[in-house]
Amino acid sequence: ETGVTQTPRHLVMGMTNKKSLKCEQHLGHNAMYWYKQSAKKPLELMFVYSLEERVENNSVPSRFSPECPNSSHLFLHLHTLQPEDSALYLCASSQQTSGRAHMAQYFGPGTRLTVL
Amino acid sequence: GESVGLHLPTLSVQEGDNSIINCAYSNSASDYFIWYKQESGKGPQFIIDIRSNMDKRQGQRVTVLLNKTVKHLSLQIAATQPGDSAVYFCAENLNSGGSNYKLTFGKGTLLTVNP
Repeated sequence: ETGVTQTPRHLVMGMTNKKSLKCEQHLGHNAMYWYKQSAKKPLELMFVYSLEERVENNSVPSRFSPECPNSSHLFLHLHTLQPEDSALYLCASSQQTSGRAHMAQYFGPGTRLTVL
Repeated sequence: GESVGLHLPTLSVQEGDNSIINCAYSNSASDYFIWYKQESGKGPQFIIDIRSNMDKRQGQRVTVLLNKTVKHLSLQIAATQPGDSAVYFCAENLNSGGSNYKLTFGKGTLLTVNP
């Protein structure tokens, strides 16, 4: 266990549905991330929250909407998705500092999303 | 070996042998690197990291080597075990101002350990 949990682990939804992915980290970190992992492609960074403020929105379509109510929780709200959005969605957290230190990101198990 | 953005290479080894997984990174200004292991159905798991002021770092059964001259990173696994079978990928970080959270990931290398 890495200290980052995600629910649900699997999700099947139609294109007209609205669903949410949840992530919780128990590591005391101050930054959280959403990544998309598609088959045979590198991890794609979607969103970054640092100290509960969104610091990165990596040209993600508006049908994906993140929410970070506190430093331990992160949500990804989904609506009117497309079949090509089917992928593994990974949450990660890290402890970021203002200095030049780099801290590793720790990942959750992911949510396997299938859009029909 | 692996380069960020290209096909997924594979490595097959016998149990007990040493494994070497390679990664060619893209940005000469990157100053922090991480190796992750991802087993089927799981999220990436942190293995070891290294900063650019080091050439080598050792962990438990793993060693990471960094060659900045040729922008090459390798992960050595000693006495490879069946439980080491997974996809391994490297990530690089470019510390640019306050954006030290961005990692660029490679596609990975599939390691298969034969009993």
